[in-house]
Amino acid sequence: DTEVTQTPKHLVMGMTNKKSLKCEQHMGHRAMYWYKQKAKKPPELMFVYSYEKLSINESVPSRFSPECPNSSLLNLHLHALQPEDSALYLCASSQGGITSTDTQYFGPGTRLTVL
Amino acid sequence: GESVGLHLPTLSVQEGDNSIINCAYSNSASDYFIWYKQESGKGPQFIIDIRSNMDKRQGQRVTVLLNKTVKHLSLQIAATQPGDSAVYFCAEKRSNDYKLSFGAGTTVTVRA
Repeated sequence: DTEVTQTPKHLVMGMTNKKSLKCEQHMGHRAMYWYKQKAKKPPELMFVYSYEKLSINESVPSRFSPECPNSSLLNLHLHALQPEDSALYLCASSQGGITSTDTQYFGPGTRLTVL
Repeated sequence: GESVGLHLPTLSVQEGDNSIINCAYSNSASDYFIWYKQESGKGPQFIIDIRSNMDKRQGQRVTVLLNKTVKHLSLQIAATQPGDSAVYFCAEKRSNDYKLSFGAGTTVTVRA
């Protein structure tokens, strides 16, 4: 089973709202990732967690706040977003550490619209 | 800078024909390559990968070829079906690097 699940599938929020995206995997993977994908573009890395610790922050604005409650869960907390933050947010996981060449498996994504 | 890119942004294929999607990379230190398929409204789906110690790897109806001499990667899809219509991304990763670098993507459209 190589399934990564994400909820919600769609999210519409105002610029003053606070919301959270959730990601879950039960493959025992130790690295988890958040990506942002704009239409017709490849995914862009945002954050990387390795063994439940934040390892990489790709200079993401503080209005995005990741959290890894346990080895299976990854959250992305959203606050005071801008309309240009509207995108598909993808979660991925891989088996080993972040410098391994293990395959990254992606979830279906959350389509976020900021009004 | 060093990057992974695709030769063509779009590819139109007749159903039943074979498809070839190309990708060039510039970093000779890259040692892991992967192809993803992304259908509309979905996340990228792993298709096949290859490591730099191999030249060819086959899966179900798909073959990935790696030419390290010219830094070229290709994905061949046999007997293309309507369900193969999607955006295909190549990606590469270097040893001891955390980042998976994606190409720009090729949109494949299968004609009935």
